[in-house]
Amino acid sequence: SQTIHQWPATLVQPVGSPLSLECTVEGTSNPNLYWYRQAAGRGLQLLFYSVGIGQISSEVPQNLSASRPQDRQFILSSKKLLLSDSGFYLCAWSAWGKTQETQYFGPGTRLLVL
Amino acid sequence: RKEVEQDPGPFNVPEGATVAFNCTYSNSASQSFFWYRQDCRKEPKLLMSVYSSGNEDGRFTAQLNRASQYISLLIRDSKLSDSATYLCAVSTSGTYKYIFGTGTRLKVLA
Repeated sequence: SQTIHQWPATLVQPVGSPLSLECTVEGTSNPNLYWYRQAAGRGLQLLFYSVGIGQISSEVPQNLSASRPQDRQFILSSKKLLLSDSGFYLCAWSAWGKTQETQYFGPGTRLLVL
Repeated sequence: RKEVEQDPGPFNVPEGATVAFNCTYSNSASQSFFWYRQDCRKEPKLLMSVYSSGNEDGRFTAQLNRASQYISLLIRDSKLSDSATYLCAVSTSGTYKYIFGTGTRLKVLA
């Protein structure tokens, strides 16, 4: 079966510090991978998605970047965090089910920028 | 207009009640539809996909109305454990993107 890992679970960082969040998927190959952010009490905002190694599509211009160095690894980074970067960061992967492609989420990283 | 819209609620219902949520979408080319459940401070978890003919999974029934561009989720015999936020998601073939609503919060009261 497929599983998705994210770490760390919780992170507190000062403004201006760098960020690196990692996501790995097991049990599948060539998945589509996604990074979302969910601010407190708000909906899911798609940040980046990737359909293959080295292929990154950015949805919202901001001070974050993403990379996919390996098939099942997706990394979210920032050189300098802003207060507004606080939120719940969710990695997801998608796969074909019976009749349609379906998305599954990792456990998330809760980031607080102070 | 948002691509996917949901009533934020909260819907406060007694145990055993039947409750229904709707989710409207604006892109008529949307082809895949889903309901997710999100507990407080947890990741969304897939509740069920929504198929054109409608589908049922135990106490949960999902339906799609393409003409009016909405999907619905019906929960029968509500349990305390059904208390959560329910997110709808819509995807258009070939875009690789899933658009989520902001969620409807359900509270089932004893």
